[in-house]
Amino acid sequence: DAGITQSPRHKVTETGTPVTLRCHQTENHRYMYWYRQDPGHGLRLIHYSYGVKDTDKGEVSDGYSVSRSKTEDFLLTLESATSSQTSVYFCAISDLPGNQPQHFGDGTRLSIL
Amino acid sequence: GEDVEQSLFLSVREGDSSVINCTYTDSSSTYLYWYKQEPGAGLQLLTYIFSNMDMKQDQRLTVLLNKKDKHLSLRIADTQTGDSAIYFCAASQTYKYIFGTGTRLKVLA
Repeated sequence: DAGITQSPRHKVTETGTPVTLRCHQTENHRYMYWYRQDPGHGLRLIHYSYGVKDTDKGEVSDGYSVSRSKTEDFLLTLESATSSQTSVYFCAISDLPGNQPQHFGDGTRLSIL
Repeated sequence: GEDVEQSLFLSVREGDSSVINCTYTDSSSTYLYWYKQEPGAGLQLLTYIFSNMDMKQDQRLTVLLNKKDKHLSLRIADTQTGDSAIYFCAASQTYKYIFGTGTRLKVLA
């Protein structure tokens, strides 16, 4: 299995609080991704990174920010969490997008009350 | 933009073959993938096929690609109860991967 660790695995928090999710990889892959998974929507891309300090928006980026200060770590921050951000969040990595598959972490279940 | 569509549910009897279908819109997709997701887990890569191939077989799994119709299918032979899961089809283009909404496969004993 690809070495991807997401933390925390579960979190419950209140509306308006900041939340940071962490993705750590040991594969030295260049590309890292954050997705959210919601019933009826499949996986939707939030942000992705193509290198240290290089990030770009996905289709559902509003309300989220990311940072990548090291190859192995990709952080997703909800600056002020809302109930609509209750979801399961997945991190994925890829070495050569378009030519290699993505590999996924086990997910973080986030509930915002 | 690219869209990937799948039927939502499939129910089969143990020992039968399962066929999960997927359609995609962008003919420039380079690779097409099948992932399996079990409850509470992440997506596990099952198999993938390059867009210039018609078929790929990997043990009990057979992937068929009809590029003209932009149709992809995953056949699972001798389906077992452990195959019960959600199956996602995905297409890749440059740096992005587009996922279908997933097909929930239920295997009846």
